Amino acid sequence: GESVGLHLPTLSVQEGDNSIINCAYSNSASDYFIWYKQESGKGPQFIIDIRSNMDKRQGQRVTVLLNKTVKHLSLQIAATQPGDSAVYFCAENSNNFNKFYFGSGTKLNVKP
Amino acid sequence: KAGVTQTPRYLIKTRGQQVTLSCSPISGHRSVSWYQQTPGQGLQFLFEYFSETQRNKGNFPGRFSGRQFSNSRSEMNVSTLELGDSALYLCASSRAGHTDTQYFGPGTRLTVL
Repeated sequence: GESVGLHLPTLSVQEGDNSIINCAYSNSASDYFIWYKQESGKGPQFIIDIRSNMDKRQGQRVTVLLNKTVKHLSLQIAATQPGDSAVYFCAENSNNFNKFYFGSGTKLNVKP
Repeated sequence: KAGVTQTPRYLIKTRGQQVTLSCSPISGHRSVSWYQQTPGQGLQFLFEYFSETQRNKGNFPGRFSGRQFSNSRSEMNVSTLELGDSALYLCASSRAGHTDTQYFGPGTRLTVL
């Protein structure tokens, strides 16, 4: 089955710096990807998504990059703020309705 | 627009009991998915319902079941609870298709003693 993994379980950055969170996926048929942010005691919160016909998508302070050749996804957060501290998950779907596969998560610590 | 709501938020049960969790999706959303989140296994897909039909199923034993009502609200049931069922159970809703954004509820924290 599909597997989605993360390279770095914990990432510490200084406030104001840019953060990059990486994700590898194994199913080359996956065509839809979502990044979620989960704060302690809360459910995952949608950040940004990207479809496989795109390489890059930008939101407010966030950018997702998709490299289908190496099956790699990244989330870039500009000017990281203390409120960005959370666990970030990538999720993939391969035309299988809403059966998403989630990575193990990366914890982002933002130091003031 | 109200978000996804889940009840109860916290639940304590003992082994062998059964439990029913409820999820109300965002208005207009017809798909409801359930996930189990544990520190060891992360987020794992349980099942998905659309128009009162189970459309997708994950790799969980038959003790885990669910259903969806005509108003898209969904319930999941776990019978004969085991200690390993202790987890955060998350519900997510979306409009319909697999490229529609899934929005999660706050989850139900189940503790099995």
